[in-house]
Amino acid sequence: DAGVTQSPTHLIKTRGQQVTLRCSPKSGHDTVSWYQQALGQGPQFIFQYYEEEERQRGNFPDRFSGHQFPNYSSELNVNALLLGDSALYLCASSVYQGANYNSPLHFGNGTRLTVT
Amino acid sequence: QQQVKQSPQSLIVQKGGISIINCAYENTAFDYFPWYQQFPGKGPALLIAIRPDVSEKKEGRFTISFNKSAKQFSLHIMDSQPGDSATYFCAAGERSQGNLIFGKGTKLSVKP
Repeated sequence: DAGVTQSPTHLIKTRGQQVTLRCSPKSGHDTVSWYQQALGQGPQFIFQYYEEEERQRGNFPDRFSGHQFPNYSSELNVNALLLGDSALYLCASSVYQGANYNSPLHFGNGTRLTVT
Repeated sequence: QQQVKQSPQSLIVQKGGISIINCAYENTAFDYFPWYQQFPGKGPALLIAIRPDVSEKKEGRFTISFNKSAKQFSLHIMDSQPGDSATYFCAAGERSQGNLIFGKGTKLSVKP
């Protein structure tokens, strides 16, 4: 049973460029969340997708956008990259359980983004 | 009000000892408190979670203690092993919302 898979594993971009990160949720999961983890810090919530819609959003600028596809996979897009966007980007999937959005999160191993 | 404060930042424990990590939160609406374990190069993995209607939850060598009035919760790792060496994160959130607030992490080293 494949867990959460993310691609690519590493990425180097230049300031001002745009990047797309991809995530396939764990089998049977329908909800995808994205987190940013700076070096030495805890993950920070970016947004969550369910039924192809953004359900919750954290304190991140509009440069961060996402999408969820009918097969539940998801993309994270970041425009106009800044040096401060360098981080590990984590995708987490879960199962929607009515009002309980916080069913256990299963994280992928992340995409390490370096902005130079 | 959305912060989760975690301490200590790092912890060194002898094999067989007890590791204790503490967290405090401010938002009384939080009703879900998980702990995650992260190894280098890997994503966080759920260890154990608790809801505020329970004061303690134990799974194997891992125990969460929860003090609702003090708005604090802690992770105890009994009989710590070198394989437990990792970074541990506490988190908190509202089950009706979609996000978790994470602490800054505790790097645990268990010496043989």
